[in-house]
Amino acid sequence: AQSVAQPEDQVNVAEGNPLTVKCTYSVSGNPYLFWYVQYPNRGLQFLLKYITGDNLVKGSYGFEAEFNKSQTSFHLKKPSALVSDSALYFCAVRDGGSYIPTFGRGTSLIVHP
Amino acid sequence: KAGVTQTPRYLIKTRGQQVTLSCSPISGHRSVSWYQQTPGQGLQFLFEYFSETQRNKGNFPGRFSGRQFSNSRSEMNVSTLELGDSALYLCASSFSEDGELFFGEGSRLTVL
Repeated sequence: AQSVAQPEDQVNVAEGNPLTVKCTYSVSGNPYLFWYVQYPNRGLQFLLKYITGDNLVKGSYGFEAEFNKSQTSFHLKKPSALVSDSALYFCAVRDGGSYIPTFGRGTSLIVHP
Repeated sequence: KAGVTQTPRYLIKTRGQQVTLSCSPISGHRSVSWYQQTPGQGLQFLFEYFSETQRNKGNFPGRFSGRQFSNSRSEMNVSTLELGDSALYLCASSFSEDGELFFGEGSRLTVL
């Protein structure tokens, strides 16, 4: 079985400050981890993924995520937030035996000017 | 390269009617998945097709069905619509099993 949790429904941050959106997961095997972003009335856009290798993954728009196996976490980070980063962020996980990822419930990121 | 295209973008139906939604994946992508997104339930997996075969299915009633054509285009159908079927229906395609999903803009269905 696979599951993912995004413990925060909403994250507020001031423009220029660092941001973190949290994600923890549970899988029976090795995790395949993904972050997606959704802007209003749009589909989801892929940001980054971790399959194997370096625990720090860099993705689109300056985002990065750190895979932590012992804490089963895959938090999304950005050193300096932009107002345009305001959107809904989804973490997703699947194990190696499944083609279908399970998505978290999403975290609304609000960046204040 | 064209992205995933979903039609129609918006539609309004009444209870008891049926609806068909269409999805054209990115060229070369053979896997197509469908998701239902609602504020209360988040993203729920409907089904996934690969090479015209349904490879995975989520926990939705039989009123929800789909198919995939030889050109990888996919359709999903919902029969006997209920108010609770109002949602954003998202289609996603992928190139490989390790790959990320590429989503369309979605079809927003409103059932009155």
